[in-house]
Amino acid sequence: DAKTTQPPSMDCAEGRAANLPCNHSTISGNEYVYWYRQIHSQGPQYIIHGLKNNETNEMASLIITEDRKSSTLILPHATLRDTAVYYCIVRVNNAGNMLTFGGGTRLMVKP
Amino acid sequence: GAVVSQHPSRVICKSGTSVKIECRSLDFQATTMFWYRQFPKQSLMLMATSNEGSKATYEQGVEKDKFLINHASLTLSTLTVTSAHPEDSSFYICSAISGASMGTEAFFGQGTRLTVV
Repeated sequence: DAKTTQPPSMDCAEGRAANLPCNHSTISGNEYVYWYRQIHSQGPQYIIHGLKNNETNEMASLIITEDRKSSTLILPHATLRDTAVYYCIVRVNNAGNMLTFGGGTRLMVKP
Repeated sequence: GAVVSQHPSRVICKSGTSVKIECRSLDFQATTMFWYRQFPKQSLMLMATSNEGSKATYEQGVEKDKFLINHASLTLSTLTVTSAHPEDSSFYICSAISGASMGTEAFFGQGTRLTVV
């Protein structure tokens, strides 16, 4: 799986949008971009994934650049409960394929 | 989303004893489950891939005789830490990937915090 690069930490004010960037310049054509988050002492939680089109669900939006070399996860109205480590992972969408975690971005939402 | 249940959530054991951790997919069948280990302030590291009805595949550096994995059914995988030592103290997390009908995203258990004293 391709490697990803994320900033180690970010702060965001409560109620504001949190924009978390991810670089994946070596992504292959059949690899999807996945985002997970891990709240302290819990297992990772699936957020969203996409191939090349922008995606939105009840949790977040995923913006993927046209060349697919980078993406941004957007939490439109961050709350204190969104404080977590956010992982950007690129992976072939295959049931037998594990996720490889990098360092992630530690997002701190502040009041 | 799909639910993966991991038990126990926390366990303390004496050095030299064995501990079994269970991982169940509650509302889907998983032919493949994954076991990760996470040390404090570090990312998740894949330990092994558990395949239903066959032997697990271990990552380099993970002792297969120490970390026994059994995937006896499509909804249950177990990890047994044998002859545990304090350095095995860690957060262990399982993951299962649902089939294509559910989008093939991975779902994770709540994790098991193992403390060996």
